Amino acid sequence: DTAVSQTPKYLVTQMGNDKSIKCEQNLGHDTMYWYKQDSKKFLKIMFSYNNKELIINETVPNRFSPKSPDKAHLNLHINSLELGDSAVYFCASSQRAWAGQGQETQYFGPGTRLLVL
Amino acid sequence: EDQVTQSPEALRLQEGESSSLNCSYTVSGLRGLFWYRQDPGKGPEFLFTLYSAGEEKEKERLKATLTKKESFLHITAPKPEDSATYLCAATSLSWGKLQFGAGTQVVVTP
Repeated sequence: DTAVSQTPKYLVTQMGNDKSIKCEQNLGHDTMYWYKQDSKKFLKIMFSYNNKELIINETVPNRFSPKSPDKAHLNLHINSLELGDSAVYFCASSQRAWAGQGQETQYFGPGTRLLVL
Repeated sequence: EDQVTQSPEALRLQEGESSSLNCSYTVSGLRGLFWYRQDPGKGPEFLFTLYSAGEEKEKERLKATLTKKESFLHITAPKPEDSATYLCAATSLSWGKLQFGAGTQVVVTP
């Protein structure tokens, strides 16, 4: 069984379009995250939700809007896509946000490769 | 400024040639130091968490150690299947989030 899953795996779209990426975890975790990995493979956190509540919101353009319908799902909607949005987006989850002793260990999904043309 | 720096950027090893990867961190109040492995086209896979200086953890040919300023990932007698990018990340008492280094790409040739 896949612990953290993302759809779609690949997304190719035109500049200016709006797109969504979905994430689901079946680990029973309370906390979920979105990361962006750029062409230099550097992973940077974008957002985090704990039990459907936004707890981390990094300096991300407001064209990016996360939505958590329940604690097992965290979706990412991107409006007016730009060339610079091309990257790999990873979803992750952890048992807790920062409880220590392993509960904050994050488990990652397979990634969504977004290419904006 | 809090940051996580990994070295070297890339490492090419012969099968059986042991080596170490470095992760240095400047973090006020380290909560945890994490090691992940990432294969091409896949998400990071969790390897270890270290919480205090002097702590060590092992898994097969990998051993992670932690001091007050850095962590090492030792690869003993590597095999080609150990080829991957190894990522280190830290959380601090004040952040509540993982800050990643840029990774070390390891290639092990037969």
